[in-house]
Amino acid sequence: AQSVTQPDIHITVSEGASLELRCNYSYGATPYLFWYVQSPGQGLQLLLKYFSGDTLVQGIKGFEAEFKRSQSSFNLRKPSVHWSDAAEYFCAVVPLGPRNNNDMRFGAGTRLTVKP
Amino acid sequence: EAGVTQFPSHSVIEKGQTVTLRCDPISGHDNLYWYRRVMGKEIKFLLHFVKESKQDESGMPNNRFLAERTGGTYSTLKVQPAELEDSGVYFCASSQDPANTGELFFGEGSRLTVL
Repeated sequence: AQSVTQPDIHITVSEGASLELRCNYSYGATPYLFWYVQSPGQGLQLLLKYFSGDTLVQGIKGFEAEFKRSQSSFNLRKPSVHWSDAAEYFCAVVPLGPRNNNDMRFGAGTRLTVKP
Repeated sequence: EAGVTQFPSHSVIEKGQTVTLRCDPISGHDNLYWYRRVMGKEIKFLLHFVKESKQDESGMPNNRFLAERTGGTYSTLKVQPAELEDSGVYFCASSQDPANTGELFFGEGSRLTVL
């Protein structure tokens, strides 16, 4: 079945440590890929997106993500986590491209806790 | 510029009652979407408006859910009668040109608790 998988429900890291959040998808063709973040009391905010081209994508707040076609993955990374990064992170895909944005599909989310 | 706003932020009702959720999109955004997240699971698409027309309502779970967008501005999502499984967070999103930007702007969500 077509799906977006975020294997880690909850991750805890120390402030200043590096972070990697995993996302895998299962679609026949490479979808358009997104990472959103939801901080407490806030709406979902776009961190970065990948449509085509360079497979390493830079986003806001110091985040980056790498698209790996061979692994059907789009993992989110940050070299040094800040306490303000504590939030829930959602991977999303659009299987047929942005013309079908109504078809945006989300993973179940990964909650990030940052230890002082 | 104001973002997408949703009201109420939290609603607690009893099974069988009616609830209406409201979404005000970003001004000028013709595309408006409703999504739902149930019990910590993935966020699921409900429907998509382009102006006042329903572009796609394939994600609406059943006929107890009614979405409207009169005049192509704000939208309401009514659940009548509410059931226990309707509990969750309902997100609204808007976009000016999803075909080019691919980005949806989300509201904070309306949490619905059905007892």
